[in-house]
Amino acid sequence: RKEVEQDPGPFNVPEGATVAFNCTYSNSASQSFFWYRQDCRKEPKLLMSVYSSGNEDGRFTAQLNRASQYISLLIRDSKLSDSATYLCVVNIGKLIFGQGTELSVKP
Amino acid sequence: GAVVSQHPSRVICKSGTSVKIECRSLDFQATTMFWYRQFPKQSLMLMATSNEGSKATYEQGVEKDKFLINHASLTLSTLTVTSAHPEDSSFYICSATPLSGTFYGYTFGSGTRLTVV
Repeated sequence: RKEVEQDPGPFNVPEGATVAFNCTYSNSASQSFFWYRQDCRKEPKLLMSVYSSGNEDGRFTAQLNRASQYISLLIRDSKLSDSATYLCVVNIGKLIFGQGTELSVKP
Repeated sequence: GAVVSQHPSRVICKSGTSVKIECRSLDFQATTMFWYRQFPKQSLMLMATSNEGSKATYEQGVEKDKFLINHASLTLSTLTVTSAHPEDSSFYICSATPLSGTFYGYTFGSGTRLTVV
C-alpha cells in the first residue's frame, strides 16, 4: 500500500466548477500535511497547509480527518489558471508525496 | 524570503560521465536539505536527506555510491550522479526548510532536468 494515495486523474472541468480532491495516508504518526501544486515541468509550490480544524484560502478549502487518515482539497469557482497537478503531501519527518491528481479547467 | 536556488536547470551528458547538481539556500541557513527525483507522469520520490556536516541518509533502493551527496555548508548541498546512464534521466529537485529542527515550510529549487544520452 502506498504511503499517500490520491484520486486518479485527470479531472476535466469547466470554468466555474467546484472540484474536490481526496487523499489518504497510511502512517498514523504523520506530523503535518500539505497540498502542493505542480505545473508542467516545474517544481512543486506550496498551496496550503492542512489542519484538523479545516482552513480556507480564498477559493481553496483544505480539511484533515486524522481518525480516518483522510485529507481533502476543495476548489470553488475554478479558473483556467488552476490547471495543474495537485499533490497531497504528508510529513513523517520527511515529505512523502502522493502521485498527484491532474486538473484541467476548460473554458 | 526562503529562496532555494538549484543549478543547472538542464543538463545533457554522455553515458558514463558524472554530473553535479547544486542546491543553495539563498537567504537562510539549512541544516537539512532533501533530494527528490521525478520520472515523467510520476510523483516526487525522496532519494536522500542531506545533513550539514554529516553523511546523507539514503532512502531504500537508492545507491549511495552512485548518487553522492555533499552538504559541506549551511547553504549548499550537492548531488553528483556518477557514471550516469540513460535510466538516470529524470527531473531532480532539492528542497530545504529555513527552520532548523522543524519540518514546516519546505521550499523547493527549480529542479534540474537531466538527460543522459
